[in-house]
Amino acid sequence: QSDLTQPRSVSESPGQSVAISCTGTSSDVGAYNRVSWYQHHPGKAPKLIIYDVNKRPSGVPDRFSASKSGNTASLTISGLQAEDEADYYCCSYVDSYTWVFGGGTKLTVL
Amino acid sequence: EVQLVESGGALVLPGGSLRLSCAVSGFTLRDYSMNWVRQAPGRGLEWVAHIRENRDTFYADSVKGRFTLSRDNARKSVYLQMNSLRAEDTAVYFCVRDKAWAFDFWGQGTLVTVSS
Repeated sequence: QSDLTQPRSVSESPGQSVAISCTGTSSDVGAYNRVSWYQHHPGKAPKLIIYDVNKRPSGVPDRFSASKSGNTASLTISGLQAEDEADYYCCSYVDSYTWVFGGGTKLTVL
Repeated sequence: EVQLVESGGALVLPGGSLRLSCAVSGFTLRDYSMNWVRQAPGRGLEWVAHIRENRDTFYADSVKGRFTLSRDNARKSVYLQMNSLRAEDTAVYFCVRDKAWAFDFWGQGTLVTVSS
């Protein structure tokens, strides 16, 4: 199973919006509405920010939104804040209780 | 408060074995599936293994046949037995709770280094 494809890095200014793509195949992203997104500040525990394609866990700001079209999922962060600077990973359920992550995207808030 | 605390990471020789533990609190372990996810130095996250409430287990191809995941609900713990370790198994290993096909709570991780 290959990693899902994410851009290695993105950058944007505070207050702006940024989108991160996550491309898989018809066997993973395209097959199930079981895409999740994680925010990871290095040295800390990763944090779930989106599950089931577009659902936010309690406590996650609505500045974080996500969607999916075909084999590609997308995470959008609006109103960028300095604390949003982190690594972001998408993840998709594959089958038979296995999962695959994207390679990760480093977000820089300029 | 949900907490997951990993332990057992160490420096081990190639071909060696190690057992990681994950102690959980703040929720009833028997009601949840659990996972291990790892991050090699400078690399991204990689899903490693999953154990269901009924103790069925599933593994990434990269560790299948070498790693064994188990759970002890009474001791509120999950264990990852790692055998025939390779340099490419060097990583921080995270214990992760499963919530409806996503991973909702993560531990801080424990470092495994495989090197001679």
